[in-house]
Amino acid sequence: GIQVEQSPPDLILQEGANSTLRCNFSDSVNNLQWFHQNPWGQLINLFYIPSGTKQNGRLSATTVATERYSLLYISSSQTTDSGVYFCAVEGGYNKLIFGAGTRLAVHP
Amino acid sequence: DVKVTQSSRYLVKRTGEKVFLECVQDMDHENMFWYRQDPGLGLRLIYFSYDVKMKEKGDIPEGYSVSREKKERFSLILESASTNQTSMYLCASKPLAESSTDTQYFGPGTRLTVL
Repeated sequence: GIQVEQSPPDLILQEGANSTLRCNFSDSVNNLQWFHQNPWGQLINLFYIPSGTKQNGRLSATTVATERYSLLYISSSQTTDSGVYFCAVEGGYNKLIFGAGTRLAVHP
Repeated sequence: DVKVTQSSRYLVKRTGEKVFLECVQDMDHENMFWYRQDPGLGLRLIYFSYDVKMKEKGDIPEGYSVSREKKERFSLILESASTNQTSMYLCASKPLAESSTDTQYFGPGTRLTVL
């Protein structure tokens, strides 16, 4: 099956810093999504981005489908950005395959 | 506003007990999912359902069963809880795939500890 690898596994930032999270996947996909899980466990979809670039405020994402990777950019990080970021790809009808996540801590 | 609720945030059970985790969504979604989340492994799909009384195994169904008697409710059942089922359990729902951009909406999670 499709493998999804995320890096780095852990990231510590000072408030205001920028960061890039990476997601590599082992096969071509029709659906790639980025999620954020806040420290209380709630998982929220950030982007649906099987290819190209999207931006939403301080967050943006780029997927290069031909090279099988996606990047999530966080600019001017805030403490509320803390949590775990997951990349997920579609691995069959209705099935999302998640990476192990990147745990981000933003300190004031 | 989209809402998926789970019956408990924290649950402690003993080995061998029968455990029910309940999930309810108010968005009239056809698809519902149960995942477990473990450190270093991300989320893994246990079971999903695309209609009332319909279910499909996910990647790790062993030791679990599910029930979907009503469209809005999807239950995960641990017939005989074991310590290796200690985990965070997340429920999600999603509309019928009319749009490829439809995402899954997640509940707040239930952290289950089996002693």
